[in-house]
Amino acid sequence: QKEVEQNSGPLSVPEGAIASLNCTYSDRGSQSFFWYRQYSGKSPELIMSIYSNGDKEDGRFTAQLNKASQYVSLLIRDSQPSDSATYLCAVSANQAGTALIFGKGTTLSVSS
Amino acid sequence: GAVVSQHPSWVICKSGTSVKIECRSLDFQATTMFWYRQFPKQSLMLMATSNEGSKATYEQGVEKDKFLINHASLTLSTLTVTSAHPEDSSFYICSATQGGYGYTFGSGTRLTVV
Repeated sequence: QKEVEQNSGPLSVPEGAIASLNCTYSDRGSQSFFWYRQYSGKSPELIMSIYSNGDKEDGRFTAQLNKASQYVSLLIRDSQPSDSATYLCAVSANQAGTALIFGKGTTLSVSS
Repeated sequence: GAVVSQHPSWVICKSGTSVKIECRSLDFQATTMFWYRQFPKQSLMLMATSNEGSKATYEQGVEKDKFLINHASLTLSTLTVTSAHPEDSSFYICSATQGGYGYTFGSGTRLTVV
Protein backbone atom coordinates (compact mmCIF):
# COMPACT_ATOMS: atom_id res chain seq x y z
CA GLN A 1 0.00 0.00 0.00
CA LYS A 2 1.54 3.26 -1.14
CA GLU A 3 1.32 5.87 1.58
CA VAL A 4 1.95 9.55 1.93
CA GLU A 5 2.24 10.86 5.46
CA GLN A 6 1.79 14.39 6.72
CA ASN A 7 1.38 15.95 10.12
CA SER A 8 -2.26 17.02 10.21
CA GLY A 9 -1.53 20.05 12.37
CA PRO A 10 -2.89 22.57 12.84
CA LEU A 11 0.29 24.50 12.25
CA SER A 12 -0.03 28.03 13.52
CA VAL A 13 2.38 30.79 12.57
CA PRO A 14 2.25 34.57 12.89
CA GLU A 15 2.02 36.74 9.82
CA GLY A 16 5.43 37.23 8.23
CA ALA A 17 6.92 34.06 9.66
CA ILE A 18 8.14 31.00 7.79
CA ALA A 19 5.81 28.01 7.69
CA SER A 20 7.42 24.61 7.24
CA LEU A 21 5.35 21.68 6.01
CA ASN A 22 6.66 18.15 5.78
CA CYS A 23 5.75 14.97 3.97
CA THR A 24 7.14 11.45 3.74
CA TYR A 25 6.22 8.76 1.24
CA SER A 26 6.58 5.02 1.19
CA ASP A 27 7.03 4.16 -2.50
CA ARG A 28 10.69 4.45 -3.49
CA GLY A 29 9.63 4.34 -7.14
CA SER A 30 7.88 7.68 -6.85
CA GLN A 31 9.16 10.23 -9.34
CA SER A 32 6.85 13.23 -9.17
CA PHE A 33 5.98 15.27 -6.11
CA PHE A 34 3.41 17.98 -5.72
CA TRP A 35 2.15 20.42 -3.16
CA TYR A 36 -1.46 21.52 -3.38
CA ARG A 37 -3.39 24.07 -1.39
CA GLN A 38 -7.02 23.42 -0.63
CA TYR A 39 -9.53 25.81 0.84
CA SER A 40 -12.56 24.41 2.56
CA GLY A 41 -15.13 23.15 0.07
CA LYS A 42 -12.88 23.80 -2.91
CA SER A 43 -10.81 21.69 -5.24
CA PRO A 44 -7.03 21.51 -4.70
CA GLU A 45 -4.89 24.05 -6.50
CA LEU A 46 -1.31 23.34 -7.48
CA ILE A 47 1.37 25.31 -5.69
CA MET A 48 4.50 23.53 -6.82
CA SER A 49 5.82 20.40 -8.42
CA ILE A 50 9.29 18.97 -7.93
CA TYR A 51 10.96 16.05 -9.64
CA SER A 52 14.67 16.20 -8.71
CA ASN A 53 16.52 16.18 -5.43
CA GLY A 54 17.22 19.58 -4.00
CA ASP A 55 15.34 22.83 -3.71
CA LYS A 56 12.94 24.53 -6.07
CA GLU A 57 11.84 28.07 -5.44
CA ASP A 58 8.82 29.93 -6.75
CA GLY A 59 8.15 33.27 -5.17
CA ARG A 60 7.51 32.80 -1.46
CA PHE A 61 7.41 29.04 -1.81
CA THR A 62 10.31 26.60 -1.74
CA ALA A 63 9.91 22.88 -2.20
CA GLN A 64 12.63 20.52 -1.06
CA LEU A 65 13.02 16.91 -2.14
CA ASN A 66 15.25 14.21 -0.71
CA LYS A 67 14.56 10.91 -2.46
CA ALA A 68 17.05 8.98 -0.33
CA SER A 69 15.11 9.95 2.78
CA GLN A 70 11.75 9.79 0.95
CA TYR A 71 11.00 13.25 2.20
CA VAL A 72 9.41 16.33 0.67
CA SER A 73 8.90 19.68 2.32
CA LEU A 74 7.36 23.03 1.55
CA LEU A 75 8.53 26.30 3.03
CA ILE A 76 6.32 29.36 2.88
CA ARG A 77 8.18 32.57 3.56
CA ASP A 78 6.52 35.78 4.73
CA SER A 79 3.34 33.87 5.54
CA GLN A 80 0.10 35.76 4.99
CA PRO A 81 -3.35 35.21 6.50
CA SER A 82 -4.50 34.28 2.97
CA ASP A 83 -2.12 31.32 3.12
CA SER A 84 -4.35 29.77 5.77
CA ALA A 85 -5.57 26.55 4.18
CA THR A 86 -4.93 22.84 4.09
CA TYR A 87 -1.77 21.85 2.26
CA LEU A 88 -1.77 18.49 0.54
CA CYS A 89 1.34 16.57 -0.44
CA ALA A 90 0.83 14.32 -3.46
CA VAL A 91 3.08 11.74 -5.07
CA SER A 92 2.98 9.77 -8.30
CA ALA A 93 5.12 7.17 -9.97
CA ASN A 94 5.23 9.39 -13.04
CA GLN A 95 4.31 6.58 -15.34
CA ALA A 96 1.69 7.46 -17.90
CA GLY A 97 -1.71 7.09 -16.36
CA THR A 98 -0.53 6.92 -12.76
CA ALA A 99 -2.75 8.60 -10.21
CA LEU A 100 -1.64 11.02 -7.56
CA ILE A 101 -1.65 9.64 -4.06
CA PHE A 102 -2.42 12.28 -1.46
CA GLY A 103 -1.44 12.73 2.13
CA LYS A 104 -4.08 13.72 4.66
CA GLY A 105 -2.96 17.31 4.54
CA THR A 106 -1.62 19.83 7.03
CA THR A 107 -3.85 22.67 8.14
CA LEU A 108 -1.99 25.96 8.29
CA SER A 109 -3.28 28.95 10.19
CA VAL A 110 -1.55 32.29 9.77
CA SER A 111 -2.54 34.88 12.35
CA SER A 112 -2.38 38.60 11.68
CA GLY B 1 -3.73 26.50 -19.30
CA ALA B 2 -5.47 23.17 -19.08
CA VAL B 3 -9.03 23.38 -17.80
CA VAL B 4 -11.31 20.67 -16.54
CA SER B 5 -14.97 21.51 -16.16
CA GLN B 6 -16.93 19.49 -13.61
CA HIS B 7 -20.71 19.57 -13.23
CA PRO B 8 -22.76 19.86 -11.22
CA SER B 9 -21.03 21.80 -8.44
CA TRP B 10 -23.48 20.49 -5.92
CA VAL B 11 -26.41 18.15 -5.95
CA ILE B 12 -28.96 16.93 -3.42
CA CYS B 13 -30.72 13.69 -4.14
CA LYS B 14 -33.05 11.30 -2.41
CA SER B 15 -31.80 8.02 -1.06
CA GLY B 16 -32.09 5.28 -3.66
CA THR B 17 -31.78 7.51 -6.70
CA SER B 18 -28.83 7.84 -9.06
CA VAL B 19 -26.67 10.87 -9.72
CA LYS B 20 -24.38 11.54 -12.67
CA ILE B 21 -21.32 13.77 -12.43
CA GLU B 22 -19.60 14.98 -15.59
CA CYS B 23 -16.01 15.95 -16.10
CA ARG B 24 -14.85 17.56 -19.34
CA SER B 25 -11.38 18.58 -20.42
CA LEU B 26 -11.93 21.79 -22.34
CA ASP B 27 -8.66 22.43 -24.10
CA PHE B 28 -6.74 19.17 -24.09
CA GLN B 29 -7.26 15.49 -24.64
CA ALA B 30 -7.42 13.67 -21.35
CA THR B 31 -5.95 10.25 -21.94
CA THR B 32 -6.56 9.33 -18.32
CA MET B 33 -9.03 10.59 -15.79
CA PHE B 34 -9.09 9.94 -12.09
CA TRP B 35 -11.99 10.13 -9.68
CA TYR B 36 -11.45 11.00 -6.04
CA ARG B 37 -13.74 11.21 -3.05
CA GLN B 38 -13.14 13.41 -0.05
CA PHE B 39 -14.98 13.17 3.25
CA PRO B 40 -14.91 16.11 5.67
CA LYS B 41 -11.51 16.81 7.15
CA GLN B 42 -9.99 13.92 5.24
CA SER B 43 -7.76 13.75 2.21
CA LEU B 44 -8.60 12.87 -1.35
CA MET B 45 -9.05 9.15 -1.73
CA LEU B 46 -8.60 7.69 -5.20
CA MET B 47 -11.69 5.80 -6.31
CA ALA B 48 -10.83 4.79 -9.85
CA THR B 49 -8.69 5.42 -12.89
CA SER B 50 -10.20 5.48 -16.34
CA ASN B 51 -8.59 5.50 -19.75
CA GLU B 52 -10.50 6.53 -22.82
CA GLY B 53 -12.32 3.61 -24.36
CA SER B 54 -11.40 1.18 -21.59
CA LYS B 55 -13.06 -0.07 -18.46
CA ALA B 56 -12.16 1.82 -15.33
CA THR B 57 -9.79 0.37 -12.77
CA TYR B 58 -11.25 0.66 -9.29
CA GLU B 59 -9.34 0.93 -6.04
CA GLN B 60 -9.78 -1.72 -3.42
CA GLY B 61 -12.96 -1.25 -1.49
CA VAL B 62 -14.73 0.83 -4.14
CA GLU B 63 -17.84 -0.89 -5.52
CA LYS B 64 -17.67 -0.80 -9.29
CA ASP B 65 -21.37 -1.59 -9.62
CA LYS B 66 -22.26 1.35 -7.44
CA PHE B 67 -19.88 3.90 -8.90
CA LEU B 68 -20.16 3.59 -12.65
CA ILE B 69 -17.45 5.34 -14.62
CA ASN B 70 -17.61 5.98 -18.33
CA HIS B 71 -14.77 7.51 -20.32
CA ALA B 72 -16.23 7.39 -23.79
CA SER B 73 -14.15 10.14 -25.31
CA LEU B 74 -10.86 11.92 -24.76
CA THR B 75 -12.69 14.91 -23.32
CA LEU B 76 -15.48 13.44 -21.23
CA SER B 77 -15.69 11.15 -18.25
CA THR B 78 -18.75 10.55 -16.11
CA LEU B 79 -19.24 9.11 -12.65
CA THR B 80 -22.69 7.78 -11.82
CA VAL B 81 -23.49 7.05 -8.21
CA THR B 82 -26.24 4.45 -8.38
CA SER B 83 -28.78 3.85 -5.62
CA ALA B 84 -27.19 6.57 -3.55
CA HIS B 85 -27.37 6.42 0.23
CA PRO B 86 -26.53 9.01 2.88
CA GLU B 87 -23.09 7.45 3.42
CA ASP B 88 -22.27 8.32 -0.19
CA SER B 89 -22.55 11.99 0.67
CA SER B 90 -19.13 13.41 -0.07
CA PHE B 91 -17.08 15.76 -2.21
CA TYR B 92 -16.25 14.12 -5.55
CA ILE B 93 -13.37 15.49 -7.60
CA CYS B 94 -12.13 14.47 -11.01
CA SER B 95 -8.61 14.93 -12.32
CA ALA B 96 -7.35 14.60 -15.86
CA THR B 97 -3.94 14.07 -17.32
CA GLN B 98 -2.52 13.99 -20.79
CA GLY B 99 0.18 11.40 -21.01
CA GLY B 100 0.67 11.25 -17.27
CA TYR B 101 2.47 14.57 -16.92
CA GLY B 102 0.57 17.30 -15.18
CA TYR B 103 -2.72 16.86 -13.45
CA THR B 104 -5.68 19.18 -13.81
CA PHE B 105 -8.50 19.04 -11.30
CA GLY B 106 -12.15 19.76 -11.73
CA SER B 107 -13.87 22.10 -9.31
CA GLY B 108 -15.54 19.25 -7.46
CA THR B 109 -19.10 18.14 -6.81
CA ARG B 110 -20.69 18.23 -3.38
CA LEU B 111 -23.16 15.34 -3.18
CA THR B 112 -25.71 15.24 -0.39
CA VAL B 113 -28.00 12.24 -0.17
CA VAL B 114 -31.08 12.72 1.99
